[in-house]
Amino acid sequence: KQEVTQIPAALSVPEGENLVLNCSFTDSAIYNLQWFRQDPGKGLTSLLLIQSSQREQTSGRLNASLDKSSGRSTLYIAASQPGDSATYLCAEGGSEKLVFGKGTKLTVNP
Amino acid sequence: EPEVTQTPSHQVTQMGQEVILRCVPISNHLYFYWYRQILGQKVEFLVSFYNNEISEKSEIFDDQFSVERPDGSNFTLKIRSTKLEDSAMYFCASSEALAGTNSPLHFGNGTRLTVT
Repeated sequence: KQEVTQIPAALSVPEGENLVLNCSFTDSAIYNLQWFRQDPGKGLTSLLLIQSSQREQTSGRLNASLDKSSGRSTLYIAASQPGDSATYLCAEGGSEKLVFGKGTKLTVNP
Repeated sequence: EPEVTQTPSHQVTQMGQEVILRCVPISNHLYFYWYRQILGQKVEFLVSFYNNEISEKSEIFDDQFSVERPDGSNFTLKIRSTKLEDSAMYFCASSEALAGTNSPLHFGNGTRLTVT
């Protein structure tokens, strides 16, 4: 059974700090790995998608890496800001569906 | 930027009643999905839909659930006889291509379903 785990469950950092969120998955035959942001009471916003043939993707202050052999992905956020406070979800992409982790709740304190 | 819209944002219903959750996917997208998130739990896949038929469904998506694209813009999820455990946030999503390609899913803001 596909399983996605995210550590830590919650993280609180001061503004300006660089941070790393971790995601591990069990299915080595993934098609892609996607990172989403979820604000309270809102939907999921796609941040980055890494195809299985890629090792990383970057968008602004965000960088996501993928290591299929170890079943791990990381999301690196540079120079964090209070507006980055949200829950970050990773999801492994199969051919038809996404399997989500439970998320890391990030709080960036001013 | 185009977005997926869902209505209503909150629906309260009594156990045993039928509910229909509505979604308008992004207009040029071809693949449509429903996911749900029980409070405090993971987001879970329910069903994917392409070319007017279900392409994959999870074990959660039993005979009480159905999906329909009644016209060129709407995508609906029907729960025939709601149970208390159906209480959750239901998210609609759409994508240009299958979830497993380089096409990200675009999610709506969700419908919070409360079954009393």
